Amino acid sequence: QKEVEQDPGPLSVPEGAIVSLNCTYSNSAFQYFMWYRQYSRKGPELLMYTYSSGNKEDGRFTAQVDKSSKYISLFIRDSQPSDSATYLCAMSDYKLSFGAGTTVTVRA
Amino acid sequence: SQTIHQWPATLVQPVGSPLSLECTVEGTSNPNLYWYRQAAGRGLQLLFYSVGIGQISSEVPQNLSASRPQDRQFILSSKKLLLSDSGFYLCAWSGLNQGVSNTGELFFGEGSRLTVL
Repeated sequence: QKEVEQDPGPLSVPEGAIVSLNCTYSNSAFQYFMWYRQYSRKGPELLMYTYSSGNKEDGRFTAQVDKSSKYISLFIRDSQPSDSATYLCAMSDYKLSFGAGTTVTVRA
Repeated sequence: SQTIHQWPATLVQPVGSPLSLECTVEGTSNPNLYWYRQAAGRGLQLLFYSVGIGQISSEVPQNLSASRPQDRQFILSSKKLLLSDSGFYLCAWSGLNQGVSNTGELFFGEGSRLTVL
């Protein structure tokens, strides 16, 4: 069993839709939870960062962490074609573990 | 501001040939440096990390090696490439005292796409 599980998609949505991305994990020691965005043929960039359980909002992006269920989510509201990318979840206790990434396409 | 440069961006190499990928960071001192490999559908695999000059930790046994000859320079090498070495290689840095990025804030380069034929 992988330490971090992420549905690779692909996920295709129309412009303006809400995008919902999820990851599950098995290591209860994870304390830091992140979402990275990776455009095609580029390196990942940190999008959202949360510590422990709870919600965090940044503009159109909301990250949720439910440690009791070992489940994290990223929501993108009012999605735009520029949001088309691969989204990788990542989590850490003292080492960083990445999910495989979900490829999202927002259709104009 | 900090920037990270990685080259070459793309290379095609025959099996058994050597490899050298280079990464440099500007605008920061004493960064932690990392080499990751990204294979399709498999996420990011940490290959090496370094907390200082000459200090290299290997995460995965393989025919690759890494070196850090200067504070802000990180090199990934191989003496003889295998087909399985094909992939997208990413260099990254994090700030001092973040361990193997226990806070997760990594800054990645643009990547080097290696195809071994």
